[in-house]
Amino acid sequence: KAGVTQTPRYLIKTRGQQVTLSCSPISGHRSVSWYQQTPGQGLQFLFEYFSETQRNKGNFPGRFSGRQFSNSRSEMNVSTLELGDSALYLCASSIGTATDTQYFGPGTRLTVL
Amino acid sequence: AQSVTQLGSHVSVSEGALVLLRCNYSSSVPPYLFWYVQYPNQGLQLLLKYTSAATLVKGINGFEAEFKKSETSFHLTKPSAHMSDAAEYFCAVSANSNSGYALNFGKGTSLLVTP
Repeated sequence: KAGVTQTPRYLIKTRGQQVTLSCSPISGHRSVSWYQQTPGQGLQFLFEYFSETQRNKGNFPGRFSGRQFSNSRSEMNVSTLELGDSALYLCASSIGTATDTQYFGPGTRLTVL
Repeated sequence: AQSVTQLGSHVSVSEGALVLLRCNYSSSVPPYLFWYVQYPNQGLQLLLKYTSAATLVKGINGFEAEFKKSETSFHLTKPSAHMSDAAEYFCAVSANSNSGYALNFGKGTSLLVTP
């Protein structure tokens, strides 16, 4: 079974631009979660989508948004990029309950200049 | 709120020595706890998880962890370290909200294995 895939793997943007990251979950998984990883703040939860609905949201500004499609693929968007948005963005998929294992993709490394 | 605290941001052990990575949790309800490992430039891989069944949980690569409610701990151990164990290790708790859940991670512990 194929794992979680994320595209692109690396991105370089400048301040003020916007960016869209993509995540394809493991086949059969309906839950997709997004996390931001930085050296200073560690791993922080952004949001979770289940069956095309945002089911949970972390404490991030409205510049961070996401969506999920009917095939469970998910995208996250960051508008008006700031230098502090430079991070590794990780996507994880699961069946969708609290005890399920979340399977992580390799991440997208975003650098904002 | 459910959270975890990892004691020690860096741990160094000799090859063949015991590995002990510490994690304490804070939760008002029975927690679901996880240990993940991250190798450089990769995503996270599950080592093991506790979901209120057996308190001693065995995972992959020879790792295990014991859930101790009286100590609110879920420390990760491995009897004999290998060079390939050098990585970043994260403890996490599944935090439930009314509508969904998320993993709350600790700050991570970087494990260095010396020859």
